[in-house]
Amino acid sequence: EAGVAQSPRYKIIEKRQSVAFWCNPISGHATLYWYQQILGQGPKLLIQFQNNGVVDDSQLPKDRFSAERLKGVDSTLKIQPAKLEDSAVYLCASSLDEMARLSYEQYFGPGTRLTVT
Amino acid sequence: LAKTTQPISMDSYEGQEVNITCSHNNIATNDYITWYQQFPSQGPRFIIQGYKTKVTNEVASLFIPADRKSSTLSLPRVSLSDTAVYYCLVGDGSGGSYIPTFGRGTSLIVHP
Repeated sequence: EAGVAQSPRYKIIEKRQSVAFWCNPISGHATLYWYQQILGQGPKLLIQFQNNGVVDDSQLPKDRFSAERLKGVDSTLKIQPAKLEDSAVYLCASSLDEMARLSYEQYFGPGTRLTVT
Repeated sequence: LAKTTQPISMDSYEGQEVNITCSHNNIATNDYITWYQQFPSQGPRFIIQGYKTKVTNEVASLFIPADRKSSTLSLPRVSLSDTAVYYCLVGDGSGGSYIPTFGRGTSLIVHP
C-alpha cells in the first residue's frame, strides 16, 4: 500500500514570496490533515478535511494560508505572502476515518521543509 | 478538550525497559489514548492505542489504570533505533469530530 505522498520535500523562499505544498493521501482515506511543525515542537494542526469539507481550520492563519482538497483526494496548502516565522516542516496526514475521530490511526507523509529567508 | 502532560526527556540504555507516563486528568468518557513515535526528518508514526486496562502489540504495551487519568507506554528492551520523540494524544472516539493536539512529546535517548 502506497503511503502519503508530499512534494516538494524541501523549499527555500524569500519572505513575501508565495509557496504551495501538495499532498496525495492514501487511497480511500476520507480525512486529511495539514500540520505545521516548528523545530523542537510537536506538530500543530492547521486544517482538517473530511472528504471535500473542512472539519476544522481554527489554527490556520487565514490572512496568509489557504488550503483546498480537490474532489476529496489530493490537497494543496498555500502560503502567500510568507513570513520568516513560517519556516517549519509541513506535514500531511490521512486517516481512513470518515468521522474525523482520533481513534483512527493517522498516516503521515515525509513532510516539506520550508525555509523562509 | 483533554490536555496531556509528559516528561520532556528521558534517557535509557540498550536492552532496558522504558516506561513513559502521560497525564490526562480531564480525560472524557469516550476518549481514546493514542501514542505516536517520531524520528528526525520523518512524520509521526502510530505506535499503539487503548481505552482501558492493557493493550499490547508487537512494538509496545500501553497500561491504563482504572481512573484513566494517566497512561504508560512501555517499550521492552529498547535499542538505539528507539531513540525518538514520543507523543501522547487523547481524544474523542465516539463520533464527534476531534482536533488532534500534539504536545512537545518526550524525547527518548537510548545510549549504547
